[in-house]
Amino acid sequence: GAVVSQHPSWVICKSGTSVKIECRSLDFQATTMFWYRQFPKQSLMLMATSNEGSKATYEQGVEKDKFLINHASLTLSTLTVTSAHPEDSSFYICSARRGGEETQYFGPGTRLLVL
Amino acid sequence: GENVEQHPSTLSVQEGDSAVIKCTYSDSASNYFPWYKQELGKGPQLIIDIRSNVGEKKDQRIAVTLNKTAKHFSLHITETQPEDSAVYFCAASRYSSASKIIFGSGTRLSIRP
Repeated sequence: GAVVSQHPSWVICKSGTSVKIECRSLDFQATTMFWYRQFPKQSLMLMATSNEGSKATYEQGVEKDKFLINHASLTLSTLTVTSAHPEDSSFYICSARRGGEETQYFGPGTRLLVL
Repeated sequence: GENVEQHPSTLSVQEGDSAVIKCTYSDSASNYFPWYKQELGKGPQLIIDIRSNVGEKKDQRIAVTLNKTAKHFSLHITETQPEDSAVYFCAASRYSSASKIIFGSGTRLSIRP
């Protein structure tokens, strides 16, 4: 199998607070993990790519100091949204990929609402 | 930059009929083409993929075709069922350790009972 989990599935927070989202590959080792955000009725937008033990590579226009990514092990990556604001409200989805393979397996997503 | 165009954006078919979704890609070096199904409020689920050394692949009611010369690929769903209703995304990538998937804009498929 290739199961990816995310926690939490949804979170509501106040403006200015930080939120951490976890992404785990449950039954395989993920050398690469990806973080996406998705607005309603839109496609997935890649935010960053992270390789285990390395700094994440951010896409153009994504603030690395606002969206902190840590890929500490082959089964866990975290995304921290720092000083969240209402415009950060979105659906955040991670995916994971085994070394030497092309296929990305996606998590169930985390819905973030910033009040 | 790389781009994947997907059509149509919405598709409604009668239950039991076939549905076809088409995509084109711009990067001629792309060699991997996955299709994902996303149900409301969930993450995308891989339903089928094809590599550039193959022209067609089938898995039960789902088939994908690839025309490398024209840089087109398509998803075919036969004998559609209500549970096929979802948003479908095509994607393209060229594999490397630093590669990323480029997604199409998505097709919202509705199956009419």
